[in-house]
Amino acid sequence: DAKTTQPPSMDCAEGRAANLPCNHSTISGNEYVYWYRQIHSQGPQYIIHGLKNNETNEMASLIITEDRKSSTLILPHATLRDTAVYYCIVRVLGTNAGKSTFGDGTTLTVKP
Amino acid sequence: KAGVTQTPRYLIKTRGQQVTLSCSPISGHRSVSWYQQTPGQGLQFLFEYFSETQRNKGNFPGRFSGRQFSNSRSEMNVSTLELGDSALYLCASSLTGNNYGYTFGSGTRLTVV
Repeated sequence: DAKTTQPPSMDCAEGRAANLPCNHSTISGNEYVYWYRQIHSQGPQYIIHGLKNNETNEMASLIITEDRKSSTLILPHATLRDTAVYYCIVRVLGTNAGKSTFGDGTTLTVKP
Repeated sequence: KAGVTQTPRYLIKTRGQQVTLSCSPISGHRSVSWYQQTPGQGLQFLFEYFSETQRNKGNFPGRFSGRQFSNSRSEMNVSTLELGDSALYLCASSLTGNNYGYTFGSGTRLTVV
């Protein structure tokens, strides 16, 4: 699986958009980009995933660059409860999909 | 529907002992993956099971093993516990393990003393 690079930490004001970047320059054509977040003492929570088109769900939006070498997770209106560690991972299709490699993630702190 | 259930939530063991952790996936999910999370190493992949077969394995010593039952429930076992095995052990399930999002359990916090 391709390796991802994320900034170690970010701050965001409550109510503002949080934009979390992720670099995955070695991503291959059959790898999806997944985002998870982990709130202290809980298991990671799935947020969103995409292949090459931008995706949006009730939690967030995912913007993937045209060359697929980077992506941005957008939380449109961050709340204090969005404070968590956010992980960007890439996952191949097929039987190797379970072997996900989680990096160190980005610790997002939403401030009032 | 019920989420991924891991038992026990907390466990304290002594060095040299062995431990078995349990994971019940979401109903209908056939893929179960196990992860170890420590402050120093982050979230590391242990192994994945699909339809009772180990499909992938991470870089952990043979003291770490697992299995999956016909109802997709999974157990992992750690023998000859070491202090460094103290960690949060997380289980995640998905329908097939392919491009579906994984759902994680709340984990088992293992402390080795």
